[in-house]
Amino acid sequence: DTGVSQNPRHKITKRGQNVTFRCDPISEHNRLYWYRQTLGQGPEFLTYFQNEAQLEKSRLLSDRFSAERPKGSFSTLEIQRTEQGDSAMYLCASIPGQPGNTIYFGEGSWLTVV
Amino acid sequence: AQSVAQPEDQVNVAEGNPLTVKCTYSVSGNPYLFWYVQYPNRGLQFLLKYITGDNLVKGSYGFEAEFNKSQTSFHLKKPSALVSDSALYFCAVRDESTGGFKTIFGAGTRLFVKA
Repeated sequence: DTGVSQNPRHKITKRGQNVTFRCDPISEHNRLYWYRQTLGQGPEFLTYFQNEAQLEKSRLLSDRFSAERPKGSFSTLEIQRTEQGDSAMYLCASIPGQPGNTIYFGEGSWLTVV
Repeated sequence: AQSVAQPEDQVNVAEGNPLTVKCTYSVSGNPYLFWYVQYPNRGLQFLLKYITGDNLVKGSYGFEAEFNKSQTSFHLKKPSALVSDSALYFCAVRDESTGGFKTIFGAGTRLFVKA
């Protein structure tokens, strides 16, 4: 069990550029979540996968955001045409499929849009 | 819809004194409740959870929490605070009885423990 891994840990990008974050969940965890956290706030739910199926998306996930989990293992979160308001920490988490299990977080990917 | 409230932005306590960080929740079914801690520039670390059974749950680093169904609360407690407990604490709820798996987090409470 190597934990949830996120890359890159930090990304600085110019407004209008596209960025992609990758998440490798704990092996055999079939559920995967993406959250966004801004300074001093709690994590806000973005989207949820069970295996490769994206089962729920928040209204926060505008059409500039897309998430995939093509083989039910790692996941990517892409932000197109970044805006300064996208600056935040993007957290990935995974959980086994049994009810009541704990959600485990990665260290997060910090995005700064300049 | 499920929700979580942490009514205090900040809690200050002296080292060695007991601490309480408050959390109330709202769900339509049976809640799974969690507490996490976050240190600067890090992800969230799991402290403890309530699923079912005994209302008093013990977790990591000497923390415990009490589930109170009538008050819909899940307050985090520790008998004797340490300076190293200073961090940001998040309460979270998940209601799987309605078929959802979304975990909702509160806005967080910053704990300052003074030496």
